[in-house]
Amino acid sequence: ETGVTQTPRHLVMGMTNKKSLKCEQHLGHNAMYWYKQSAKKPLELMFVYNFKEQTENNSVPSRFSPECPNSSHLFLHLHTLQPEDSALYLCASSQVLEVTNEKLFFGSGTQLSVL
Amino acid sequence: KNQVEQSPQSLIILEGKNCTLQCNYTVSPFSNLRWYKQDTGRGPVSLTIMTFSENTKSNGRYTATLDADTKQSSLHITASQLSDSASYICVVDSWGKLQFGAGTQVVVTP
Repeated sequence: ETGVTQTPRHLVMGMTNKKSLKCEQHLGHNAMYWYKQSAKKPLELMFVYNFKEQTENNSVPSRFSPECPNSSHLFLHLHTLQPEDSALYLCASSQVLEVTNEKLFFGSGTQLSVL
Repeated sequence: KNQVEQSPQSLIILEGKNCTLQCNYTVSPFSNLRWYKQDTGRGPVSLTIMTFSENTKSNGRYTATLDADTKQSSLHITASQLSDSASYICVVDSWGKLQFGAGTQVVVTP
């Protein structure tokens, strides 16, 4: 148990569905992240929230919508996804310092399949 | 082009044998370099973090080395076990921004 919990573990959705991924961290960290992991590719940073404020959005399509209601919870709302969005979606948290980033703690991920 | 290149892409080793994974990077400025282990269907878990001044760091049977001059790192697994089967990911921290390698898939066979 890493202290970062993601639900659901697996999700199958059609292109017209709306679903949400949930992440909760119990580590008291000040930053939370969404990453996309496709097979044999580096992890792709999607969104960063630092002290609940979104500080980074790496040109992610608008069909992905993040929400961070407080420093412990992070959501990723999904709608009208495409089959190429099928991937493992990882949530992570860390304690961000001035010029470096403390160790990332990852959740187990949500394996998403878009049909 | 990815600024963190890992090799080999995959390897198969016999249980009990040693292996070494490579990571070359071009990321600048450099804050630290991390190695993560990712089991299938799980999130990555941190193995080591090395700053500029550290040449080597161990975590059990895992030993990471860093040559900041040549921008190379390696991860050595000693006396491999079946539980070492996983993807090993090299990550370079550049003032808080993380650059990920694509990982090396290691399969340990009995």
